[in-house]
Amino acid sequence: AQSVTQLDSQVPVFEEAPVELRCNYSSSVSVYLFWYVQYPNQGLQLLLKYLSGSTLVKGINGFEAEFNKSQTSFHLRKPSVHISDTAEYFCAVETSYDKVIFGPGTSLSVIP
Amino acid sequence: KAGVTQTPRYLIKTRGQQVTLSCSPISGHRSVSWYQQTPGQGLQFLFEYFSETQRNKGNFPGRFSGRQFSNSRSEMNVSTLELGDSALYLCASSRRDRGIYEQYFGPGTRLTVT
Repeated sequence: AQSVTQLDSQVPVFEEAPVELRCNYSSSVSVYLFWYVQYPNQGLQLLLKYLSGSTLVKGINGFEAEFNKSQTSFHLRKPSVHISDTAEYFCAVETSYDKVIFGPGTSLSVIP
Repeated sequence: KAGVTQTPRYLIKTRGQQVTLSCSPISGHRSVSWYQQTPGQGLQFLFEYFSETQRNKGNFPGRFSGRQFSNSRSEMNVSTLELGDSALYLCASSRRDRGIYEQYFGPGTRLTVT
């Protein structure tokens, strides 16, 4: 069975500092990988996705992620965070027909 | 273009009742997926519909059901509500063809069961 682990439940970081949110997955088959962001009282927004090709994926709002097949990881990074990046971030994998398995989420708090 | 619409946005029901939630996908999107989000269990996949057919289903009891209409709008139904069904229900519409991948989530329906 597929599963997604997000090692940090909460990540506090100062404004303009870099951040990395970690994600590891387990799957015996090829997967698609995603990062989503959820702002308070809102739905999910797709930040970026890895379907195939280049392992470095760039998304919206200056975020990027790197797919590492050997380590089964898909860590999310941003070189300089802003207050508006404060939100819940979810890593997810998809194996078939839009059946997406989500990680438990990482709460990013940007400190002014 | 208009986003994914979910109605109603908020709902309060009592145990034992049933509820129907609606999701209107983005124009041109034929796939609709449903998710349940709770503080304890996180985000869990319920089911996915494509062209009126359920293609995938999560691990939820039979009280949870859904359907999709010819215009791609989807409904999910929960019968015999339990307190544990209180959650944010999210739907997502997606399109993937000819190298295009799009997926958008709606704002969700907040269901409270008392």
